[in-house]
Amino acid sequence: AQSVTQLDSHVSVSEGTPVLLRCNYSSSYSPSLFWYVQHPNKGLQLLLKYTSAATLVKGINGFEAEFKKSETSFHLTKPSAHMSDAAEYFCVVSIYSGGGADGLTFGKGTHLIIQP
Amino acid sequence: DTAVSQTPKYLVTQMGNDKSIKCEQNLGHDTMYWYKQDSKKFLKIMFSYNNKELIINETVPNRFSPKSPDKAHLNLHINSLELGDSAVYFCASSLGTAARANYGYTFGSGTRLTVV
Repeated sequence: AQSVTQLDSHVSVSEGTPVLLRCNYSSSYSPSLFWYVQHPNKGLQLLLKYTSAATLVKGINGFEAEFKKSETSFHLTKPSAHMSDAAEYFCVVSIYSGGGADGLTFGKGTHLIIQP
Repeated sequence: DTAVSQTPKYLVTQMGNDKSIKCEQNLGHDTMYWYKQDSKKFLKIMFSYNNKELIINETVPNRFSPKSPDKAHLNLHINSLELGDSAVYFCASSLGTAARANYGYTFGSGTRLTVV
């Protein structure tokens, strides 16, 4: 079975400072991992994904994440926060159902607050 | 040229009613999904369809039934609506059925269902 744990329900940083959103996963297989962002009253947007290629993955809007198998982690970082980054962030792992198609298991989300 | 579109965006209805949410994708993806996001922002997969075949059917009440008239559509029918069904429902699609979901997922913007 697959699961994902986002270690912080809320993270607050000042504009211009680094962002770190933590995520740990468990998976019976080598996982595919994703980070999605959801702005208030909006849909889900893919930030980046890891699919067994390079362990350091670069995404949109200056975000990146590093896959660390030994730590079963996939933390999301950004060097300098912007006010527009305020949103809910979801760490996601793929599910292998055995039937051929995949679904996703979502973490419970981290609410990112940007202080001016 | 919206990739995954859901209608309606908002739906307010009374308990006991039957309602449907429609989803269409123009990406040529062969797998479609329904996810439910509860009031605490937690997302959970409900169903997925691959080539008109139900692949994943999580433990959702049988009042919920997905219907896929073709590869580009996956509609969600809900009978005898209950207060607890109030949530945001997201449709998604993906290309490929490989276990590692290398191709990523595209989400619709969500349907906010309120049962009163």
